[in-house]
Amino acid sequence: DSGVTQTPKHLITATGQRVTLRCSPRSGDLSVYWYQQSLDQGLQFLIQYYNGEERAKGNILERFSAQQFPDLHSELNLSSLELGDSALYFCASSSSGQNYEQYFGPGTRLTVT
Amino acid sequence: SQQGEEDPQALSIQEGENATMNCSYKTSINNLQWYRQNSGRGLVHLILIRSNEREKHSGRLRVTLDTSKKSSSLLITASRAADTASYFCATRNTGNQFYFGTGTSLTVIP
Repeated sequence: DSGVTQTPKHLITATGQRVTLRCSPRSGDLSVYWYQQSLDQGLQFLIQYYNGEERAKGNILERFSAQQFPDLHSELNLSSLELGDSALYFCASSSSGQNYEQYFGPGTRLTVT
Repeated sequence: SQQGEEDPQALSIQEGENATMNCSYKTSINNLQWYRQNSGRGLVHLILIRSNEREKHSGRLRVTLDTSKKSSSLLITASRAADTASYFCATRNTGNQFYFGTGTSLTVIP
């Protein structure tokens, strides 16, 4: 158990809908990262927050947004969902945005029908 | 794409043998990390090597880094069936963006 929790575990929704994925980092970790893993794209870095502020941005679509709250939990919002958004979404946390290992949550499996 | 690539894509060995997988990347990095992923589960950090280091050991793991060739290798010695998983290298560039390679799927046959 990494100490990172993600909810929900599974999510099935229709195209055009909007969903929110939630992540609670390990106790004491200030950085949260979001990743998308799909068969055709592999593991893609989406975005990183550090202590509430956006630190780095990867391949995150404009339809996606994220935030980190004062209690350090984070949410990833996915809107206008398309079939291609079906993937595993991982959250990870680390104690710093620099040279520290990331601890991954168990992931949320999103299926868009 | 700035994504790294692992080689081989898949590797199957007998228990007790050594497994070597390689990673190539494209950008300047601050560090390189290796992760393991069991099917459909979250990634688990194995080892981190900084850009000014050439070799690092952790238990049965040995990692090398050649920044001039933009490549790294992960050696798992005396493999066990429990080592069966996918292995990814990850790099952080100077823009703080993280990139994971395409992964090597390792199967250790008991």
